[in-house]
Amino acid sequence: SQQGEEDPQALSIQEGENATMNCSYKTSINNLQWYRQNSGRGLVHLILIRSNEREKHSGRLRVTLDTSKKSSSLLITASRAADTASYFCATDSNDYKLSFGAGTTVTVRA
Amino acid sequence: DAMVIQNPRYQVTQFGKPVTLSCSQTLNHNVMYWYQQKSSQAPKLLFHYYDKDFNNEADTPDNFQSRRPNTSFCFLDIRSPGLGDAAMYLCATSRGSGATDTQYFGPGTRLTVL
Repeated sequence: SQQGEEDPQALSIQEGENATMNCSYKTSINNLQWYRQNSGRGLVHLILIRSNEREKHSGRLRVTLDTSKKSSSLLITASRAADTASYFCATDSNDYKLSFGAGTTVTVRA
Repeated sequence: DAMVIQNPRYQVTQFGKPVTLSCSQTLNHNVMYWYQQKSSQAPKLLFHYYDKDFNNEADTPDNFQSRRPNTSFCFLDIRSPGLGDAAMYLCATSRGSGATDTQYFGPGTRLTVL
């Protein structure tokens, strides 16, 4: 069953602006991952944050995790047209299985 | 270099006509997964193999079967496709099934059922 829920469902920003999307989940997790999916393609792993971590950076990506609120955020700084994609959070609970949210569709306008 | 390859990228079949989707990997990963993703929805895990051990999700319809003849290849067989089976089918691999094992996805096969 779907564990994560992303918010907003869709986001449109100007190139150079920052994009922030949120993920909420229901049960306790070992870690939370973010994936990107370009239109009509497979998913690409972006970043993994463990349950004992609060913040993680990778290039222009910043991920936060608040286990008390069961939520995570993904920030993309200085967005580019190539960042146009859908972004999914994925959580694992008590086993290997990843449970994906429905995603946030980000459109970066040139 | 392609790591997870799916063929074909687009598949059209008729209602009730069996279809097989193919996935291969060059990563030598132990685990291979099949997901179904409908438009604007989350990928939904259908089943996975850990080596030769097959693990079916409880809500995966019997209409969906899978084969993994060797480490590199995994097939998804849809015995009698219905209109509701039209979706993107994603294959993924991971080295292990631990909580921190990253999954590597193929580009997907978009299935159309006429």
